Amino acid sequence: EAGVAQSPRYKIIEKRQSVAFWCNPISGHATLYWYQQILGQGPKLLIQFQNNGVVDDSQLPKDRFSAERLKGVDSTLKIQPAKLEDSAVYLCASSSAFGGATDTQYFGPGTRLTVL
Amino acid sequence: AQSVSQHNHHVILSEAASLELGCNYSYGGTVNLFWYVQYPGQHLQLLLKYFSGDPLVKGIKGFEAEFIKSKFSFNLRKPSVQWSDTAEYFCAVNALKGTASKLTFGTGTRLQVTL
Repeated sequence: EAGVAQSPRYKIIEKRQSVAFWCNPISGHATLYWYQQILGQGPKLLIQFQNNGVVDDSQLPKDRFSAERLKGVDSTLKIQPAKLEDSAVYLCASSSAFGGATDTQYFGPGTRLTVL
Repeated sequence: AQSVSQHNHHVILSEAASLELGCNYSYGGTVNLFWYVQYPGQHLQLLLKYFSGDPLVKGIKGFEAEFIKSKFSFNLRKPSVQWSDTAEYFCAVNALKGTASKLTFGTGTRLQVTL
């Protein structure tokens, strides 16, 4: 079975520019997650989708970050405008069930963002 | 709010040495516990998980972890490490809150196994 796909793998931008990341979850997975992993830290959940609805976006900085999951499959995470502190790896994960606490989340390779 | 502490940030072991990585969590309710591993150049993948039942959980590649509720701990162990175990290890806790589950990760432990 194909894993979670993400693109691009690397992105370098200047502060105040905008950037978008794309994620394609494992086929049939209803729940999709975006995480931010800053160097030296563990991944931090930004947003969780159940099909195409948002379940939890409490840690998403909504003044600059946005995410959507149209049609309940692919998802896009956008940052506009980017700040230096947004430099991180952005991970996408998916799980097959309904985002329950026992679900196993499958992670993609991540997008490494550098903001100069 | 739930939180996870991993006190060992960087561990260096020789091959065949025994491994124990500490993980403590903070949450007052029922939790589900995970260990994820990230090998160099690869993505995060599940090593093992605990939901209920036998507190000693066995995972892939000879790893095991023990849930000790009274100590809020879920330490990872392996009796004899191999060079291929060199990786970063993350402990995570997931508690269902309302309709959302929230997976909270520790800061990770980088394991380096020398020949």
